Amino acid sequence: DGGITQSPKYLFRKEGQNVTLSCEQNLNHDAMYWYRQDPGQGLRLIYYSQIVNDFQKGDIAEGYSVSREKKESFPLTVTSAQKNPTAFYLCASSIRDRVINEQFFGPGTRLTVL
Amino acid sequence: AQSVSQHNHHVILSEAASLELGCNYSYGGTVNLFWYVQYPGQHLQLLLKYFSGDPLVKGIKGFEAEFIKSKFSFNLRKPSVQWSDTAEYFCAVNAILGNEKLTFGTGTRLTIIP
Repeated sequence: DGGITQSPKYLFRKEGQNVTLSCEQNLNHDAMYWYRQDPGQGLRLIYYSQIVNDFQKGDIAEGYSVSREKKESFPLTVTSAQKNPTAFYLCASSIRDRVINEQFFGPGTRLTVL
Repeated sequence: AQSVSQHNHHVILSEAASLELGCNYSYGGTVNLFWYVQYPGQHLQLLLKYFSGDPLVKGIKGFEAEFIKSKFSFNLRKPSVQWSDTAEYFCAVNAILGNEKLTFGTGTRLTIIP
């Protein structure tokens, strides 16, 4: 089955620790995205990557970092500089097309900072 | 930059009632429009999309949406809701030939009372 996997499903972190969220896709999509979902705020874009070894900041990139060494993988690191990291994190992917941008989403990781 | 407004934050309906969820966007150019749904504990999934052509688009599970360009709107409708439609609904817009980013609204939580 083609799709997007995110791990872990739940993640607990102590304040001051960095943590990395995994996102893998086998859809052969060029573009991948990370969103943060908070109640009442919808989805906000953290980072996105349109091609391997390249990525751009989204609307709320501060306190986060990413890498894109492989087409299939786009891990997100939540650093200790992120002031309010407790949230639901969603990864998505799409073909790279400037006319049609339909994104497919993974199941999400719920991060809680203790 | 584009933005999306969903004015209904929480809608409560009885089964068999008709549904209309509002979505307005601000962007002067050509857009793709999407409605995504997030059922409790499940992935964010595409409900329907508008790229071009007939402004009345039909999606899964009996949902439809109408693109009214003059009003910058893409409202979601269903003539008769079911308890299983309880979910959170997100409208999203992508500017064609833009930066391939999706901008989401803040979401509408729909609760159907049996």
